[in-house]
Amino acid sequence: RKEVEQDPGPFNVPEGATVAFNCTYSNSASQSFFWYRQDCRKEPKLLMSVYSSGNEDGRFTAQLNRASQYISLLIRDSKLSDSATYLCVVRIASGGSYIPTFGRGTSLIVHP
Amino acid sequence: DTGVSQDPRHKITKRGQNVTFRCDPISEHNRLYWYRQTLGQGPEFLTYFQNEAQLEKSRLLSDRFSAERPKGSFSTLEIQRTEQGDSAMYLCASSASGGTNTEAFFGQGTRLTVV
Repeated sequence: RKEVEQDPGPFNVPEGATVAFNCTYSNSASQSFFWYRQDCRKEPKLLMSVYSSGNEDGRFTAQLNRASQYISLLIRDSKLSDSATYLCVVRIASGGSYIPTFGRGTSLIVHP
Repeated sequence: DTGVSQDPRHKITKRGQNVTFRCDPISEHNRLYWYRQTLGQGPEFLTYFQNEAQLEKSRLLSDRFSAERPKGSFSTLEIQRTEQGDSAMYLCASSASGGTNTEAFFGQGTRLTVV
């Protein structure tokens, strides 16, 4: 079983739609959770950190459920420019370090 | 440009040759990571440095791979006797110290093609 799992999609949605992605992680001792965005043939860039109480940044809302070991990302009012791959990242304990560990990403395509 | 810099951006090499990639992290960042990414997959962790110390290595990292960060600044990743399966994007990331919630910033990557 992979340490961080995501549905690869693609999620194909019209402009203005609301779309949600989930990500599950296997290590209950994981600390720190993030969503990164990666455009085609570009490097990953931080979209938002995920806090225990949940957090919102404009049209984006992230939630963490430690009991069920999953993270979610909700995008409201989708824009064409939201088309990208969304990577779930969990810092997982390895030795004395916490290593950012990536899921395989969920592809989002927003169409007119 | 004060971001993470990687060199070269692209490398084509023949099977069996050695290649070396360089990463210059953001100057005040003491944590440095190497990842490998293939099409349709997320970045896979290879190795981690804190300052000049290599603290973690993935089981994915075979004996043909070696990484250094001699002065705690730039890092190099060498692949010896390259194989076609080594073809991938090699990404470097850096982050500041100060807990586990710090953001990792990525370079643009080195795309390796082994022919």
